[in-house]
Amino acid sequence: DAMVIQNPRYQVTQFGKPVTLSCSQTLNHNVMYWYQQKSSQAPKLLFHYYDKDFNNEADTPDNFQSRRPNTSFCFLDIRSPGLGDAAMYLCATSRAVDSYYEQYFGPGTRLTVT
Amino acid sequence: DAKTTQPNSMESNEEEPVHLPCNHSTISGTDYIHWYRQLPSQGPEYVIHGLTSNVNNRMASLAIAEDRKSSTLILHRATLRDAAVYYCILRDGYGGSQGNLIFGKGTKLSVKP
Repeated sequence: DAMVIQNPRYQVTQFGKPVTLSCSQTLNHNVMYWYQQKSSQAPKLLFHYYDKDFNNEADTPDNFQSRRPNTSFCFLDIRSPGLGDAAMYLCATSRAVDSYYEQYFGPGTRLTVT
Repeated sequence: DAKTTQPNSMESNEEEPVHLPCNHSTISGTDYIHWYRQLPSQGPEYVIHGLTSNVNNRMASLAIAEDRKSSTLILHRATLRDAAVYYCILRDGYGGSQGNLIFGKGTKLSVKP
């Protein structure tokens, strides 16, 4: 009965080789978020989709892109991964962006860059 | 951005209550106080949130000071499964970017058998 699913759980990519991480949800929530969490640090918001509207955080590098083809799926594309992009990537969903609503997180995908 | 201050770490004994403090002296009238926790090797998990009144749910209780400048997350009987990093986060009720979850360093709770 997993609600926010992330695949794969572990991903290894080479320096500079594009990589895509995926997230799906069974909650039918309108909002999907992507966070980056580096080792021993707190999660950091990269961007989110509210329905089809994309909202990028000001300090998210251009190297990171996202796609949301439908309500259930959202993808994180890293165009040219660097060693500094090694991290846990967390997907979350919420019914709306209003502060009243909680976010539901997936288990994360741990990305290694070699 | 409104900010929170939490102790870096706390220890508790199993089956005893735990009080996790959070200071937010610059809180605005529209800020909700949210608590999330992150167990080892897992994504964060929503715990509870409130605006002005104390709140209870199946996981925890949230006690909010009358002036709203501090709050306390209460776990009534800690279990080993409650060992996690607990984040206290302010979210602006008006939404927008101020309504995003901005995680601080949190409090790492250890639970001893």
